[in-house]
Amino acid sequence: QVQLVQSGAEVRQPGASVEVSCQASGNTRIRYAVHWVRQAPGQSLEWMGWINAGNGNAKYSQKFQDRVTFIRDTSAATVNMELNSLRFEDTAVYYCAREPYGSSPNDAFDIWGQGTVVTVSS
Amino acid sequence: QSALTQPASVSGSPGQSITISCTGTSSDVGSYNLVSWYQQHPGKAPKLIIHEGSKRPSGVSSRFSGSKSGDTASLTISGLLAEDEADYYCCSYAGGATFVFGTGTRVSVL
Repeated sequence: QVQLVQSGAEVRQPGASVEVSCQASGNTRIRYAVHWVRQAPGQSLEWMGWINAGNGNAKYSQKFQDRVTFIRDTSAATVNMELNSLRFEDTAVYYCAREPYGSSPNDAFDIWGQGTVVTVSS
Repeated sequence: QSALTQPASVSGSPGQSITISCTGTSSDVGSYNLVSWYQQHPGKAPKLIIHEGSKRPSGVSSRFSGSKSGDTASLTISGLLAEDEADYYCCSYAGGATFVFGTGTRVSVL
C-alpha cells in the first residue's frame, strides 16, 4: 500500500519562501501525479496544481502559477512544493495527494499525505 | 475559477438519509462526469469516498452514493451514523488539466 509522508511544520516571515516535501513509500510502480491542495484555517480545500511523478510535467492553478514550483526527485520518490513571496494569507495546511494514471480512480485523489502546517508570521 | 457551491451545513438524525449538493457550471461539473467527494474529520486529511460521480473506492460503505444532474452533483448518505459527522467536499475536473473544489459542507448527526 502506497503512503505519502510529508515534511514537518514550517514558520516563515512574509516575503520568504517555503519548501514542503512529499515522499511516496510502498508500491510506487503505478504511474501517478502528485497534486497539492491547501486548507487555510477554518476554510475549504483549495487546489494548487499537480506534477507528473514520472516525467516531471506540471500544471499550476492560475492563482499560484507565479509563486509556486513543483520539483520531483525520482531517486528519492519525492516531490517538493516551493511557494515564494509568502503572505499572511498563505498560512494553511498543505497536503499532497496522489492521482493514479491508467487505473482507478480516474481524476480523483485516492491517497493523501498527513498535511504540513505552514505559518506565515512576522 | 470559482469554487463549486455547497451548502454550509446539513444535519440529520441517526438512520436518516441526507443529501449534499455541489453546484458548478457548464465548464466543470456540467461538462465532465468527473466529480469526486471527500470526507474530512477534524484534524485529519481528506478521504476519497466517491469518484467519477458515483463510483465507490474499495472499502467505502455503500451508504455513500453519488449522482449528477446538469451542473449539480449530489452526495447522499443513507442510514446516517454518528461517525459520518464530518466535513464533506466535492471536487470536479474543470478542463485544461485543472481541478476545482467545493466550498465544503459540515454534516451534523443530531
